[in-house]
Order: sequence, then C-alpha cells, then structure tokens
Amino acid sequence: QQPVQSPQAVILREGEDAVINCSSSKALYSVHWYRQKHGEAPVFLMILLKGGEQKGHDKISASFNEKKQQSSLYLTASQLSYSGTYFCGTYRTASKLTFGTGTRLQVTL
Amino acid sequence: GAGVSQSPSNKVTEKGKDVELRCDPISGHTALYWYRQSLGQGLEFLIYFQGNSAPDKSGLPSDRFSAERTGGSVSTLTIQRTQQEDSAVYLCASSLDSSGGPWYFGPGTRLTVT
Repeated sequence: QQPVQSPQAVILREGEDAVINCSSSKALYSVHWYRQKHGEAPVFLMILLKGGEQKGHDKISASFNEKKQQSSLYLTASQLSYSGTYFCGTYRTASKLTFGTGTRLQVTL
Repeated sequence: GAGVSQSPSNKVTEKGKDVELRCDPISGHTALYWYRQSLGQGLEFLIYFQGNSAPDKSGLPSDRFSAERTGGSVSTLTIQRTQQEDSAVYLCASSLDSSGGPWYFGPGTRLTVT
C-alpha cells in the first residue's frame, strides 16, 4: 500500500520553512527521500534507517519514527532551487521501494 | 558513463505496435528497477532485477509487458500491442545492491501511444 504524504502541495516564499510528512500503514525497514524537478528524473536526497535517526543534507533534514511508521522532511530557509515534487520511498524489506503520493513544493521570491 | 542512461528519450507509437525501452545502469550496480509515472502521478513499480536472481515481476500490469536484463547490466522493457493507457514516462533506476542504499534514476523515456 502506497505511503501517504502531506501536504499534497505547498507554496513558500524564499527563506520560509516547510515540513513534509510521509505515513505508512505497514512496518518499515527504512525510508528514502527524493526530489523531482519538472521534466527531470527523481534525485536522491537521503536515507533514514530504523532508530529514529535524523539526517541532514544542506538545510534539509529528516526524521524517521519507526513506531509511528512515519517520516518527516524538514526544509529550512527554503531556496528557489528547492522547488519540485518530493517523494518518500519506503522499504518493508530490503528489495524495492514503494513511493509515496508526492508533495509539490513551490518556492517563490 | 557516470549515470543511468535510457533510450530513446521520447517514443511516439501507434496503438497496437510493440516498443522496446532500454536502460543502461551505473557500472557495478547489481540492482535495477523499472517504474512508470503517468502525467502528474506518482511512481508505479513495474519490475526489479537483483544480480542473477529471478526478477520480481509483481508490478507488471499485464502480460503485454516483459523485461529482461542481459549479462547483469543492460535491461530492455518491452511493451507489446501498446494501448493508449500505456502512455507514461518510464523510469529506470539502479542501486549498488538490494541492501537499501540510494537509487539513481535515469532521465526516463516518454512514451506516447496515439
């Protein structure tokens, strides 16, 4: 079953912060986050493993709560380059990813 | 090459014709995945190859779809008797192995069935 992301879409002004959530109805092994710009392939951002780990990538960080089967992506001081669609991908076992419903993020001046 | 490559980048075909889509994964990556993305939609799993193991074909939508991976490297996705609902972007990704590391996507093939 596909993880549900929220919000579906968000518009930010440059410099504002945002949180994107990813919830699964199934127990998770790990969570991936990808960003896809319009007309381009998804690009890997980060992986989170079991253990409530929080990782960072520039001003983008994420957390993973395995008990709640949720992950959140935090974008701090957003830049125009952050615009795109963000997908979480979940592993139940180490094989293939099931991607979330996607969150469209637009950063404006 | 440094990244995953796919060809063709665009394919327009008539309903009922067969098409072949090609994926060249990153050298040394043993895991290869095919997904498709319809306009404005998410990523739908099609098939997964890991080394010499039997592929996971559980996402193929019908028996018109098939894929093979030769020599553990290049993969070809074949769609027979194409239908309009097959129109989508077909994405290929590879990863070092199936242990859960990062995936690297190719630029995709945009398939349009007229």
